[in-house]
Amino acid sequence: ETGVTQTPRHLVMGMTNKKSLKCEQHLGHNAMYWYKQSAKKPLELMFVYSLEERVENNSVPSRFSPECPNSSHLFLHLHTLQPEDSALYLCASSREVTENYGYTFGSGTRLTVV
Amino acid sequence: AQTVTQSQPEMSVQEAETVTLSCTYDTSENNYYLFWYKQPPSRQMILVIRQEAYKQQNATENRFSVNFQKAAKSFSLKISDSQLGDTAMYFCAFVWAPGGSEKLVFGKGTKLTVNP
Repeated sequence: ETGVTQTPRHLVMGMTNKKSLKCEQHLGHNAMYWYKQSAKKPLELMFVYSLEERVENNSVPSRFSPECPNSSHLFLHLHTLQPEDSALYLCASSREVTENYGYTFGSGTRLTVV
Repeated sequence: AQTVTQSQPEMSVQEAETVTLSCTYDTSENNYYLFWYKQPPSRQMILVIRQEAYKQQNATENRFSVNFQKAAKSFSLKISDSQLGDTAMYFCAFVWAPGGSEKLVFGKGTKLTVNP
């Protein structure tokens, strides 16, 4: 374990379902991130949170809704997804948003939309 | 816009040999950082090595070293004495912080297979 825990590891959902991805870190980091990794594409930054405040939203469709109730937990609420949303969703954290010493990533949630 | 290009989608190397993964990037920034991340089948992203753009000396971490050519915007990763556990996806990443908010851009990755 890297210190960033993501659950569930795998998720299969229908296009009309509502589900949530969870990310948890107890590293004392103040910044948390959601990334999407699709096959043969670069990692895409989705959301950035600093001390529970969203500081960046990279043109992500509204069917993805992040929530950061405290600096240790980050959620990604999913609803009315499309098959092209199937991907590996990675959570990461860093000491600060301006951290340049590298991120700590979780193992990801493999999402399949059917 | 910042971009990162990894031109080798897949590579293979024999155990104990040396392999070099290429990475080029494009930016108008002067202050930035470069990283190589490893993603094994466990899917965790593991930081392998980090380079500050203002340092001319190439970073090294045990069997991993980089060849950083700032003028050419090149940042290759050399793995010496390859081990079976080095089999993974390797991502090159570029980090800069405009206005204090860090941004991170990844390449598409290179799949490295170490053969026994």
